[in-house]
Amino acid sequence: GENVEQHPSTLSVQEGDSAVIKCTYSDSASNYFPWYKQELGKGPQLIIDIRSNVGEKKDQRIAVTLNKTAKHFSLHITETQPEDSAVYFCAAYNNAGNMLTFGGGTRLMVKP
Amino acid sequence: KAGVTQTPRYLIKTRGQQVTLSCSPISGHRSVSWYQQTPGQGLQFLFEYFSETQRNKGNFPGRFSGRQFSNSRSEMNVSTLELGDSALYLCASTLPSNTEAFFGQGTRLTVV
Repeated sequence: GENVEQHPSTLSVQEGDSAVIKCTYSDSASNYFPWYKQELGKGPQLIIDIRSNVGEKKDQRIAVTLNKTAKHFSLHITETQPEDSAVYFCAAYNNAGNMLTFGGGTRLMVKP
Repeated sequence: KAGVTQTPRYLIKTRGQQVTLSCSPISGHRSVSWYQQTPGQGLQFLFEYFSETQRNKGNFPGRFSGRQFSNSRSEMNVSTLELGDSALYLCASTLPSNTEAFFGQGTRLTVV
């Protein structure tokens, strides 16, 4: 089955700096890669996603890149703000399984 | 537009008891998936339902079961509760022709 690894597990940055979170996946059949943000006491919130036919996608301060050959994808957050502090999860979706496989999560702390 | 609604938000049960959790998907969403979230194991897939049929099941014992009703609402049941079943149980719904999964706030189950 699919295996998704996520690094780093914790990330501390200064407000205004950039943050990068990286994930690798194992199943070449995976074709959809969402990123979720989870705040304390809440469910994961979809913040951005990318499909396997696209290399990069941006949405304001957030961008995601995908390298299908290397089977890795990354989340980039620019001009970080304290409200970006949360746990971020990457995931990979496989049509055959109709399921998301999640990475272990990254706790991002943005210091004011 | 209402989001995914999970009830109850919190539950405390005793070992050996059984529990039923409920999930109402976003209107128009027909696929419902369940995930277990624990600090040690992260987010793990339990099962996925579409049009009242279970399409996929994760690697959990038979004590974990679910069902989906004709209005797409779903329930999951855990029988003979164990301490290790303490977790946040998350439900996600998706449109039939889409892979974007939207999560509810979860049900926090504590087994004592």
